[in-house]
Amino acid sequence: KAGVTQTPRYLIKTRGQQVTLSCSPISGHRSVSWYQQTPGQGLQFLFEYFSETQRNKGNFPGRFSGRQFSNSRSEMNVSTLELGDSALYLCASSLVGGGNDEQYFGPGTRLTVT
Amino acid sequence: AQSVAQPEDQVNVAEGNPLTVKCTYSVSGNPYLFWYVQYPNRGLQFLLKYITGDNLVKGSYGFEAEFNKSQTSFHLKKPSALVSDSALYFCAVRDIGAGSYQLTFGKGTKLSVIP
Repeated sequence: KAGVTQTPRYLIKTRGQQVTLSCSPISGHRSVSWYQQTPGQGLQFLFEYFSETQRNKGNFPGRFSGRQFSNSRSEMNVSTLELGDSALYLCASSLVGGGNDEQYFGPGTRLTVT
Repeated sequence: AQSVAQPEDQVNVAEGNPLTVKCTYSVSGNPYLFWYVQYPNRGLQFLLKYITGDNLVKGSYGFEAEFNKSQTSFHLKKPSALVSDSALYFCAVRDIGAGSYQLTFGKGTKLSVIP
């Protein structure tokens, strides 16, 4: 079974621009979560989607948004980029999310904002 | 609210020696607990999880973890460390009672196995 894929793997953007990151979950997985990883803050939860609905949202500004499509693929968007948005963005999928469901992570998208 | 603490930023151990990576958690009810490993420039890989029942959980690559409810701990262990075990290790928790879909991660512990 193919793992979680994320595109693009690397991205360089300028302050003020916007960016869209894509995530394809493992086949059959319906829950997709997004995390921001930085050296100082560790892994911080952005949001979680299931059946095209956002079920959980972390403590991030409204510039961070996401969506999920009917095939469970997900995208996240960051508008008006700031230098502090430079991070590794990780997507994780699981069967239905919650409970004892473990998450499977993609390789991440490394975003650099200059 | 659910939270996880990994008190050590870095753990150094000699190859062949036993290793322990510490994790403590806080939840309002009962926890589901997970360990993940991250190699450089890679995503996180699932190692093992505690659901309920046996306090000693066995996982991938010879790792195991011991759940201790009274100490609210879930330490990761391996009897004999390999150089290839050098990586970043994350503990994570989900509060069963809160009905949360969110996994909360610790800040990670960098494990270095010295040849």
